[in-house]
Amino acid sequence: TQLLEQSPQFLSIQEGENLTVYCNSSSVFSSLQWYRQEPGEGPVLLVTVVTGGEVKKLKRLTFQFGDARKDSSLHITAAQTGDTGLYLCAGPYSGGSNYKLTFGKGTLLTVNP
Amino acid sequence: GAGVSQSPSNKVTEKGKDVELRCDPISGHTALYWYRQSLGQGLEFLIYFQGNSAPDKSGLPSDRFSAERTGGSVSTLTIQRTQQEDSAVYLCASSPFPRGTSEAFFGQGTRLTVV
Repeated sequence: TQLLEQSPQFLSIQEGENLTVYCNSSSVFSSLQWYRQEPGEGPVLLVTVVTGGEVKKLKRLTFQFGDARKDSSLHITAAQTGDTGLYLCAGPYSGGSNYKLTFGKGTLLTVNP
Repeated sequence: GAGVSQSPSNKVTEKGKDVELRCDPISGHTALYWYRQSLGQGLEFLIYFQGNSAPDKSGLPSDRFSAERTGGSVSTLTIQRTQQEDSAVYLCASSPFPRGTSEAFFGQGTRLTVV
C-alpha cells in the first residue's frame, strides 16, 4: 500500500491553463514536502508545509496542507512550458522502528506550447 | 562540489554481468536513500540507511540487489546478474533527516542500460 497517493498520474495541458495536483494519505503527517524533477535531473525541493491548513505561495505555485494533515495540493496558475516535470510529494513516516521520508509516485506534468 | 555525487552517470552492461553504483552523500547527512526510476515514471524506493541503524531493505526487488554504506558515508548499490528489466535511472539522496523537516538532496542519478 502506497502511503502517499498522488493524482493524477499524468497530466498534459496547454500553456496558460491552470491545474491542480493532489497528494493524499490515510495517515497523518507532521509535514509534507513537494519536489519537482526536470528531465535528466534529480528531484529538487520546492516547499515544505508544516501546519494544518497552511497555504504557501511560490510565484505561480500555491501549496496547501490539509487541515487534518493527511493531504496536500499544488495549484499552478497560468502554466508555462518550464513547469514541465515530475511533481513529487514526500513526508516523514514512522514505520516500526525506522523513520524515513516516504515519497509518492508523482504526477508527470507536460505543458505544451 | 557540496552536492550528492553519483558515479558513473551512465552505465551500459551486458545481461548477466554484475554492476556497482556509487553514491557520495553530502558530508554530515545521516540519512541515505536509493530509488529506481523507469522512464517517465515515479520513484521506486529501494533501500534506506539512517545512521547506525539497520537499513530498511524493504524495497529491494530481488536478492540480486544489495547495498552497503561504509563508515556512514559512501554507499554502493550492487546488482548481480543484471537483467534487462533492471534498466532504469538509479537515484541516490541524502538528508540530515530525521532532524526537523529536513529535505532530501538528490544526485543526478546513474542511467543503467542492460543489453
